[in-house]
Amino acid sequence: EAGVAQSPRYKIIEKRQSVAFWCNPISGHATLYWYQQILGQGPKLLIQFQNNGVVDDSQLPKDRFSAERLKGVDSTLKIQPAKLEDSAVYLCASSSGTSGSRIDTQYFGPGTRLTVL
Amino acid sequence: AQSVAQPEDQVNVAEGNPLTVKCTYSVSGNPYLFWYVQYPNRGLQFLLKYITGDNLVKGSYGFEAEFNKSQTSFHLKKPSALVSDSALYFCAVRDLNTGFQKLVFGTGTRLLVSP
Repeated sequence: EAGVAQSPRYKIIEKRQSVAFWCNPISGHATLYWYQQILGQGPKLLIQFQNNGVVDDSQLPKDRFSAERLKGVDSTLKIQPAKLEDSAVYLCASSSGTSGSRIDTQYFGPGTRLTVL
Repeated sequence: AQSVAQPEDQVNVAEGNPLTVKCTYSVSGNPYLFWYVQYPNRGLQFLLKYITGDNLVKGSYGFEAEFNKSQTSFHLKKPSALVSDSALYFCAVRDLNTGFQKLVFGTGTRLLVSP
């Protein structure tokens, strides 16, 4: 079974530029998550999708971050414009169950390391 | 709010010795706890989880974790460490307050296993 795929693996941009990350979850997984991991910290959830609908985006900085999962499979996360503090690893994860499943395991992709100069 | 704490930034152990990576939790209601490992330039890999049942949970790569309700702990253990176990370990708890599947992670513990 293929794992969660993410691209690009690394990205370097200037502040105020825009950037987009792509995620392809494990086949058949209904739930998709985007996490932000700042150096020296644990991952923090940015947004969670159930199929193509958003179920939690309470910690997404909506003035600059956006995400979509139009067909309920792939997802893109965009930052526009980027700030220095956005430098982090952006992790995508997926799980098979619904929001009510309490034994769901999240499987993570390799992440995209973003450096904002 | 649900949270976990990893009190040690780094744990050093010699190869062949037992290892313990500590995690304590603070939750309202029943805890759902996870351990993940992160190798350099890699994503998080699932090791094991506690949902209910036996307090000793066995996971991948020979790791196990002991759930202790009275001490609100979920320490990760391995009887004999390998150099290849050197990595960053994260404890996480499922945040049930929102009704969704959000994981709340600790700050991580770096494990260094010396030959």
